[in-house]
Amino acid sequence: DTGVSQNPRHKITKRGQNVTFRCDPISEHNRLYWYRQTLGQGPEFLTYFQNEAQLEKSRLLSDRFSAERPKGSFSTLEIQRTEQGDSAMYLCASSLGQGVSSYNEQFFGPGTRLTVL
Amino acid sequence: GENVEQHPSTLSVQEGDSAVIKCTYSDSASNYFPWYKQELGKGPQLIIDIRSNVGEKKDQRIAVTLNKTAKHFSLHITETQPEDSAVYFCAATRGSSNTGKLIFGQGTTLQVKP
Repeated sequence: DTGVSQNPRHKITKRGQNVTFRCDPISEHNRLYWYRQTLGQGPEFLTYFQNEAQLEKSRLLSDRFSAERPKGSFSTLEIQRTEQGDSAMYLCASSLGQGVSSYNEQFFGPGTRLTVL
Repeated sequence: GENVEQHPSTLSVQEGDSAVIKCTYSDSASNYFPWYKQELGKGPQLIIDIRSNVGEKKDQRIAVTLNKTAKHFSLHITETQPEDSAVYFCAATRGSSNTGKLIFGQGTTLQVKP
């Protein structure tokens, strides 16, 4: 399977605990995105990496959230001190950006569904 | 700020009929407009997209039209089948920006009745 993969697929945690999600993008895709999707809504942008550099973060990404892409391949999203409002589907997408004039076909993974009790 | 409005929120059609979903966007610099299909428990799947230098694109039973002046674009599905039932999302982005982040609409739940 050469698509975007995410692990775990489901995570149930208690309020106040830390959680970490992993995303493996399509091989050779240099751009990686994290989105959050709540029930009945479209995905909302959280953050963007070009190779290992985190180039944009949404206002939605509070200081409890941190994302990394240490070697420009897989990425992790960590949420510290989880709150019930963090319950959502966390989606990862990747694309092959080829310069500032490139269009941006993004391919999504299956997501990680987080439930905070 | 950047915003994408999508209508209708739900759409029910008989098998074989056509379905149309409409979106409007606020950022006049947007130049790439993908459509995604999302089935229950799965991530969004890219089904068709259109760039700002064309007005229409077709792929078998699916077509997308773009009106840059009015800042709206639409998805047309002809000869609908039960397997077309899903949630559909439109999105817009500045493809030439440094990030290419997608701004999504709220989604349309399409039900195709056999």
